[in-house]
Amino acid sequence: AQKITQTQPGMFVQEKEAVTLDCTYDTSDPSYGLFWYKQPSSGEMIFLIYQGSYDQQNATEGRYSLNFQKARKSANLVISASQLGDSAMYFCAMRDLLGGSNYKLTFGKGTLLTVNP
Amino acid sequence: DTEVTQTPKHLVMGMTNKKSLKCEQHMGHRAMYWYKQKAKKPPELMFVYSYEKLSINESVPSRFSPECPNSSLLNLHLHALQPEDSALYLCASSQVGAGVGYNEQFFGPGTRLTVL
Repeated sequence: AQKITQTQPGMFVQEKEAVTLDCTYDTSDPSYGLFWYKQPSSGEMIFLIYQGSYDQQNATEGRYSLNFQKARKSANLVISASQLGDSAMYFCAMRDLLGGSNYKLTFGKGTLLTVNP
Repeated sequence: DTEVTQTPKHLVMGMTNKKSLKCEQHMGHRAMYWYKQKAKKPPELMFVYSYEKLSINESVPSRFSPECPNSSLLNLHLHALQPEDSALYLCASSQVGAGVGYNEQFFGPGTRLTVL
């Protein structure tokens, strides 16, 4: 079974600074996909970035980048130039095959990021 | 249109009530999901529909009854719920297929359910 570990229950960062949110994973599948989602207090899960196990380069999406270290089984999210609106819960997730063409997302416990002015 | 909508946003119900949650998407996705999220916890999968047929039921109690009347709509019928069922219920959709390729799930804003 897949397992996602986020060891930082909470993180604080000053506005305009960069922050790294940690994520490690465990899987025996050679093919897998990793996702980061943001969940503001309103509840909606917002997709941020994706990294496939065979991707040669680290994923980037605007201010979000993923520090993917396959040998260490880590997929840390880096947010550059933090903004007050980045304050939210951040979940790392892995695509977990269920059989056939079905899959689910297995989530880590999340990291609550607070951006201070 | 990359939006998943859910109604209602908030729902308070008694243990003897029957209510339904509704989810809608118009992205042409043929896989739809219900997740349950308790406070300060990650979402947990309840059901998966693929091509309007129930594919996965993660051992959910029968007081939760999903329905997929067409490719755009997903309902969750609630009956005789318990206070511990109070949670945020999230609907998601995606393309069918779990291959190597990029295949994100798009989530709705959720319904916050309180069972008294």
